Amino acid sequence: GAVVSQHPSRVICKSGTSVKIECRSLDFQATTMFWYRQFPKQSLMLMATSNEGSKATYEQGVEKDKFLINHASLTLSTLTVTSAHPEDSSFYICSARFSQGGKTQYFGPGTRLLVL
Amino acid sequence: DAKTTQPPSMDCAEGRAANLPCNHSTISGNEYVYWYRQIHSQGPQYIIHGLKNNETNEMASLIITEDRKSSTLILPHATLRDTAVYYCIALSGTYKYIFGTGTRLKVLA
Repeated sequence: GAVVSQHPSRVICKSGTSVKIECRSLDFQATTMFWYRQFPKQSLMLMATSNEGSKATYEQGVEKDKFLINHASLTLSTLTVTSAHPEDSSFYICSARFSQGGKTQYFGPGTRLLVL
Repeated sequence: DAKTTQPPSMDCAEGRAANLPCNHSTISGNEYVYWYRQIHSQGPQYIIHGLKNNETNEMASLIITEDRKSSTLILPHATLRDTAVYYCIALSGTYKYIFGTGTRLKVLA
């Protein structure tokens, strides 16, 4: 149980285009999902907290207009990187937490984004 | 949120126990200690968590000192597939994970 999937697993796009990444909790409902970014040889950095049916909460320094988050259902959150630039190239990872309380986050496999 | 400190790297012989320490001297009474590991180019995998008592599951054991200022994750019989970066996280009421730099464990054949 507690499986989280991400799609796509890898994406290459041209500079200036937008890319959408999906995060799904496959066998549980998740009121809260989290989005992280990880650059090579660095640790995970929390970008935003996504709550179903409400606006996401962004961490300091993360541009909310550039990284659009939608959490329309209890099993799906999406991250859209708008007008992507090469510096946005990174490993994007989502996680989800059970709706029925609990603090444990279950992570997806990650999406590797390369902006040319 | 309490900060955690871990050694940057450790080696362990295959079949031996791997003991990974974590210092969380500023932890408060209601902050859980969580352990995850990340194998190269994958998302973090949940291992175990605890508050005060020692915990054990099919993957590992977690030993928390009585003053809760430090903990040790024990992999009882390390295999090559346990080679990964191990993260110790002190989780506060905000439920946000703050990842440190972790410990890079290399299991040697």
